[in-house]
Amino acid sequence: GAVVSQHPSWVICKSGTSVKIECRSLDFQATTMFWYRQFPKQSLMLMATSNEGSKATYEQGVEKDKFLINHASLTLSTLTVTSAHPEDSSFYICSASRLENPEEGETQYFGPGTRLLVL
Amino acid sequence: AQSVAQPEDQVNVAEGNPLTVKCTYSVSGNPYLFWYVQYPNRGLQFLLKYITGDNLVKGSYGFEAEFNKSQTSFHLKKPSALVSDSALYFCAVRDRGRGRGSTLGRLYFGRGTQLTVWP
Repeated sequence: GAVVSQHPSWVICKSGTSVKIECRSLDFQATTMFWYRQFPKQSLMLMATSNEGSKATYEQGVEKDKFLINHASLTLSTLTVTSAHPEDSSFYICSASRLENPEEGETQYFGPGTRLLVL
Repeated sequence: AQSVAQPEDQVNVAEGNPLTVKCTYSVSGNPYLFWYVQYPNRGLQFLLKYITGDNLVKGSYGFEAEFNKSQTSFHLKKPSALVSDSALYFCAVRDRGRGRGSTLGRLYFGRGTQLTVWP
């Protein structure tokens, strides 16, 4: 259980185009999903927290108009990189929170990541 | 504020030997602590967590971690390392917040420790 998928696994696009990345929790409902960005040999940088049915909360320094997040259902969140530029090239990882039990709170389960290369 | 420190960028160990990956944390209140593993070009896989109870937590793939409140540490251990354990390991802490429309419950990651097990 607790499987999270991401699609696509990798994408190459031209500068100026928009790219949509999907994150799905396959066998559980996730009230909260998170989007991270990871640079080579570095830790994960939280970009935004997404709650179903409400606007995403962005971390400081992350442009919300650049990185559009939609959390349409309890199993799907999407990240759209608008007007992508080479500096947006990165590894994007989503996670979904599953409530294990009320005493333990949520555990985050991660998707396999999406490698974005903007030419 | 919550924070996690992984003092070692790299840990090298021979196959069959015990391994330890260190993690210390700083939180306000009681922590939830997690270990994740990341293989190249993949997302993070959940290994284990400490919520409450026994200080020694057992997780996936033969890993375990010991919570030490006085030393604010949560070191990851394995009695006998395998070459296939070679990967990037992340320690993380989260606060105990919960609730829709908030960023409470987010994870704070260490910078990661690259574990290399040689044959």
